[in-house]
Amino acid sequence: GAVVSQHPSRVICKSGTSVKIECRSLDFQATTMFWYRQFPKQSLMLMATSNEGSKATYEQGVEKDKFLINHASLTLSTLTVTSAHPEDSSFYICSARDGGLAGEKLFFGSGTQLSVL
Amino acid sequence: QQQVKQSPQSLIVQKGGISIINCAYENTAFDYFPWYQQFPGKGPALLIAIRPDVSEKKEGRFTISFNKSAKQFSLHIMDSQPGDSATYFCAASYGANNLFFGTGTRLTVIP
Repeated sequence: GAVVSQHPSRVICKSGTSVKIECRSLDFQATTMFWYRQFPKQSLMLMATSNEGSKATYEQGVEKDKFLINHASLTLSTLTVTSAHPEDSSFYICSARDGGLAGEKLFFGSGTQLSVL
Repeated sequence: QQQVKQSPQSLIVQKGGISIINCAYENTAFDYFPWYQQFPGKGPALLIAIRPDVSEKKEGRFTISFNKSAKQFSLHIMDSQPGDSATYFCAASYGANNLFFGTGTRLTVIP
């Protein structure tokens, strides 16, 4: 199946710093990528939908200035957590769609565990 | 509002037994129902998916049963193995919209 690479897998940073997470579709072009947040033992919460060449669409309650998303190419989307604080500590997961409708052919990255000290 | 309700929250099954996880939805517009398997510290991986025009789909030890009139679907894992121990998420989507995930079921298969 298609591969989505997410990097880094784990990051620890100090409060107030910014962290960038990359999501790459390795063997297909993804016009749409999605970013999720997952708290321990909970489900995935959609944060934003990232479309190549246009502004991301954020879900209600997600601060767009806090979580900057850039989808500059068909194979790369980045999520930058700006001025991170301990409450931003979470597991962040990206996914990319390999054509088809929204739910189909959706492949997930391996996730990034962010810990803000 | 939880679009897809999943139960049980956790499940313990003996090796060789059948694991059953249930999901229910309200939105009749949903037309795609996947199940994902997630191991700790990893992203979800698509396990099996079904569309509402069929009532059952089987892939190896994994079977989805779909009841359109009841708006319910379930995942059956036959001959459960310790390696199946993971968190399972059901999901649903329609048209060009994104997936709505269930709350997850943590499955533990005891040797």
